[in-house]
This record gives sequence, C-alpha cells and structure tokens, in this order.
Amino acid sequence: DVKVTQSSRYLVKRTGEKVFLECVQDMDHENMFWYRQDPGLGLRLIYFSYDVKMKEKGDIPEGYSVSREKKERFSLILESASTNQTSMYLCASRFSVGGGLEQYFGPGTRLTVT
Amino acid sequence: KNQVEQSPQSLIILEGKNCTLQCNYTVSPFSNLRWYKQDTGRGPVSLTIMTFSENTKSNGRYTATLDADTKQSSLHITASQLSDSASYICVVSAKGGSYIPTFGRGTSLIVHP
Repeated sequence: DVKVTQSSRYLVKRTGEKVFLECVQDMDHENMFWYRQDPGLGLRLIYFSYDVKMKEKGDIPEGYSVSREKKERFSLILESASTNQTSMYLCASRFSVGGGLEQYFGPGTRLTVT
Repeated sequence: KNQVEQSPQSLIILEGKNCTLQCNYTVSPFSNLRWYKQDTGRGPVSLTIMTFSENTKSNGRYTATLDADTKQSSLHITASQLSDSASYICVVSAKGGSYIPTFGRGTSLIVHP
C-alpha cells in the first residue's frame, strides 16, 4: 500500500512565523503535490514537483515556496505566515506524469495562524 | 480554462436510500475522470477512474457513469450506509503537459440513520 505521511495533523503558528510542512511518500513516486483545501473552494494546487529539484507553480503559489531535495520528501514553506493561510493542507504523490495515474493523499495538516 | 462543477453542493439522505451526485466538466482534451471519497479529517481516496471509452464503472455500491459527448459524469450510491457520509470529489485530467488534474468543489453527503 502507498503511504503518504505528513509531519503534523494540527499546527498552530503566529503571524510572521516561518512554517515548514513536511510530506513523505514511501512508493518511489516521481510526482508530488501540495494543495490547500478551504470550505466551499475545494482543493487548490499550490505547487507541483515532477521530480527531485523540479517544481512548477500551481494556481495559488503566492506566499509559499517548496523544496524537493530527495525523491520521497516534499516540503511546503510559508516564509511569513499570515492569517489568510489558515487552512487544511494536503500533500499527494503520483507515480509519474500520465493521464490515468492515481494521486495518493496524505491525511492533511490543519494549520491555524493566529 | 478547465473547470469542474459538481451538484448538489450538499445532500442529506436516510440510510438505505440511493442517491446520485453530478459532475459537469469543460476540461479539454479529456484524459480521464476520477471520483474521490474524502472522509472528515482525512485525505481523498480514489473510488473509480473512467476514460473516454468507458460509460459505466462500478466499485461495490458505487457506480460511476460518463457521457463524454455532454461532458457529464454521475456517481450513484446504492443502499447507502452511515459510512458513506463524506465529501465526494470529481477530478478531471486533461491530456498533455504535466497532466495536472482539475478538482471539483465536492458534494457533501450526510447519511442519517
């Protein structure tokens, strides 16, 4: 079974703090994704990485950066957290670029910025 | 711009009843459509995948249909159970590029005893 784990289920940070969200997958998947999920808006893509050290901006990259130094790990960084970044963050992985390949999701990190 | 619209936004049914969720998309060129189930506090899990040539696909009590001409899909749940209470998300992928999927906003289903 594919397993995607995220470093924290719940996180509370203060405005202006630097925040790291970590995601690890154990199935040697090439592609990894970071989404945020807000009520009524669904999942929105923040960043996508198709391989180590490769990344593409998604629909809402502003205020976020990512790092993929190893194949199994994809980090989302909030350089200076703001209250409008309070959300559920979901990481996903996929074997490679291809039409039918399933994304496997982690359990999510609920981030609250106060 | 690729879009996926789902209806209804929310639905409440009694245990044992059937229900149908709808998905309309404008993703082009079409590659495939997936339905995901997301339990509260968890990540989405794939239920079915449908390609252009498939009209119907079942997974237990879940049956998905696809009409590629009208760009519509439905997810039918038979004999609902309390454990079916979840959000159901329609996801459509276009061919080419990085195959980034487009997500619908989901239908929240509540099954009451």
